Amino acid sequence: AQRVTQPEKLLSVFKGAPVELKCNYSYSGSPELFWYVQYSRQRLQLLLRHISRESIKGFTADLNKGETSFHLKKPFAQEEDSAMYYCALSPNAGNMLTFGGGTRLMVKP
Amino acid sequence: DVKVTQSSRYLVKRTGEKVFLECVQDMDHENMFWYRQDPGLGLRLIYFSYDVKMKEKGDIPEGYSVSREKKERFSLILESASTNQTSMYLCASSSPGTGSYEQYFGPGTRLTVT
Repeated sequence: AQRVTQPEKLLSVFKGAPVELKCNYSYSGSPELFWYVQYSRQRLQLLLRHISRESIKGFTADLNKGETSFHLKKPFAQEEDSAMYYCALSPNAGNMLTFGGGTRLMVKP
Repeated sequence: DVKVTQSSRYLVKRTGEKVFLECVQDMDHENMFWYRQDPGLGLRLIYFSYDVKMKEKGDIPEGYSVSREKKERFSLILESASTNQTSMYLCASSSPGTGSYEQYFGPGTRLTVT
């Protein structure tokens, strides 16, 4: 069975500092990896997916199959990035998502 | 714009009551999901459905059942609510036909069982 681990429950950085939210997964096949975000009083929404190799709101994430990681990075954090971030995995050709425990990012002014 | 709605934002029920949580999506999505969201545990899948009248157990189905009589509606039922079912419940939908696994979420129902 697949598993997603986000080792940090809380990450606090100052505005303008780089940020990296860690995500490690275990799965024997080739998964699809996602980052979802939930801003205060808003619904959970997709931030980015590894397959599209896109940068959303300045965030990027690289899939490292050797280290089975999918860390989310941003070079300069903004206060509006404060939110709950979830890493999620979908098995190959599957529709189900397995979520990590989430990391709360706080960006201080 | 995809819209997933849930019948209640807040719900307070007593132990032993039967509880219905309703979810409706307006994008003709085949797949619908029920999760519970707990601090430190993330989202855990309770049940999902890939078609009308079809359902599959997720990771934590005990104490729950579901119903999908129409494509747009997916109901979560707590047959006899218990205090350990106090949680935030999220509904989601997706369409495999788009080639995307993106799930669209509702606003959530915060259920308190006393």
